[in-house]
Amino acid sequence: GAGVSQSPRYKVTKRGQDVALRCDPISGHVSLYWYRQALGQGPEFLTYFNYEAQQDKSGLPNDRFSAERPEGSISTLTIQRTEQRDSAMYRCASSFGSGNTIYFGEGSWLTVV
Amino acid sequence: GIQVEQSPPDLILQEGANSTLRCNFSDSVNNLQWFHQNPWGQLINLFYIPSGTKQNGRLSATTVATERYSLLYISSSQTTDSGVYFCAVELRNTGNQFYFGTGTSLTVIP
Repeated sequence: GAGVSQSPRYKVTKRGQDVALRCDPISGHVSLYWYRQALGQGPEFLTYFNYEAQQDKSGLPNDRFSAERPEGSISTLTIQRTEQRDSAMYRCASSFGSGNTIYFGEGSWLTVV
Repeated sequence: GIQVEQSPPDLILQEGANSTLRCNFSDSVNNLQWFHQNPWGQLINLFYIPSGTKQNGRLSATTVATERYSLLYISSSQTTDSGVYFCAVELRNTGNQFYFGTGTSLTVIP
């Protein structure tokens, strides 16, 4: 597509529910990143994919968070048993590879009540 | 870990004024980008600038990699320039993730 597309744009969920956030990167981009941004803060790295391989997941805060990119294109970030502290904007970005410009999607706002 | 520090944290400008935003980083980088987060939350690329100088309209940026800093210049500011400006660096040794600074919040008043 023309840009990085994320869905849903807004999600309100009850504590304890699972959520799945989707990212459709720019066509041809092999690198895909997930970031989390709290209000008033800069984005913080969660995980990185090169094609379908998850090469870095050092930023995932705990084992409730997981991500996949099974065919090297669309990616899903899943948060299990959500907690209120998970409330944030979740941003996806893509690029042609390390050392190239990265482009962010509009983000998915998650609110856990 | 790497430190990415931006200054000033907050800036208020009269429309038409010029400003310089600074980004200091503590390690050698493979990639540096400047972003503008507009009031609607969109994160927009401004520059990919691991070294050297680039200009795009009223904006320009300079990165001196050997001294580990980058500057973003905004000339003849407009109200639409308001928002938060972030620099983000990708480390030379590890790559694969960008470290974001804490941002400079800019408000341009008419």
